[in-house]
Amino acid sequence: EDKVVQSPLSLVVHEGDTVTLNCSYEVTNFRSLLWYKQEKKAPTFLFMLTSSGIEKKSGRLSSILDKKELFSILNITATQTGDSAIYLCAVWQGAQKLVFGQGTRLTINP
Amino acid sequence: NAGVTQTPKFRILKIGQSMTLQCTQDMNHNYMYWYRQDPGMGLKLIYYSVGAGITDKGEVPNGYNVSRSTTEDFPLRLELAAPSQTSVYFCASMGWKLSNEQFFGPGTRLTVL
Repeated sequence: EDKVVQSPLSLVVHEGDTVTLNCSYEVTNFRSLLWYKQEKKAPTFLFMLTSSGIEKKSGRLSSILDKKELFSILNITATQTGDSAIYLCAVWQGAQKLVFGQGTRLTINP
Repeated sequence: NAGVTQTPKFRILKIGQSMTLQCTQDMNHNYMYWYRQDPGMGLKLIYYSVGAGITDKGEVPNGYNVSRSTTEDFPLRLELAAPSQTSVYFCASMGWKLSNEQFFGPGTRLTVL
């Protein structure tokens, strides 16, 4: 059965800390891995990763994929209270379906 | 472009009632999806469609039905509402380019009492 597992499920840190969120997957016909940020409404797209070892960056956020070990990490440096959200990892299974992990709830305390 | 729109935003149903959740996209996307998200959980795929007239089951289709008569619209039907269907429902769409990002609607919060 296809599955995507995220860890930790919940994380509380202080503003300014650096955090690493993990996503491992077992999916047939892997095509790409996506990261989303979800605040109080719909998920918003962060990154799409297709190739191993190539880091994607957007400001303080970065992500990398390891297709050999079947995992990805999302790093957030110098965290701010606005980074508080649920971070979702999802993997394209075959051509048509995204399989989502359960999400990591990140809380940044001032 | 309005993107992906969903109605209603909130709804309370009694057990056994029926309703349709509406989803419309104006991006001419072929792929459309319905997900449900339970508290503290990720998204689970209910149904999806790769184009008008074509639908397929996802991970949790029981208790739901869909149709796709046009490219723009992808309504989700609940026939006999049950408390287990209390959830937030998201509709999403994606263009022809595969393995691309999905665009999500704002969600419908449904409570079944």
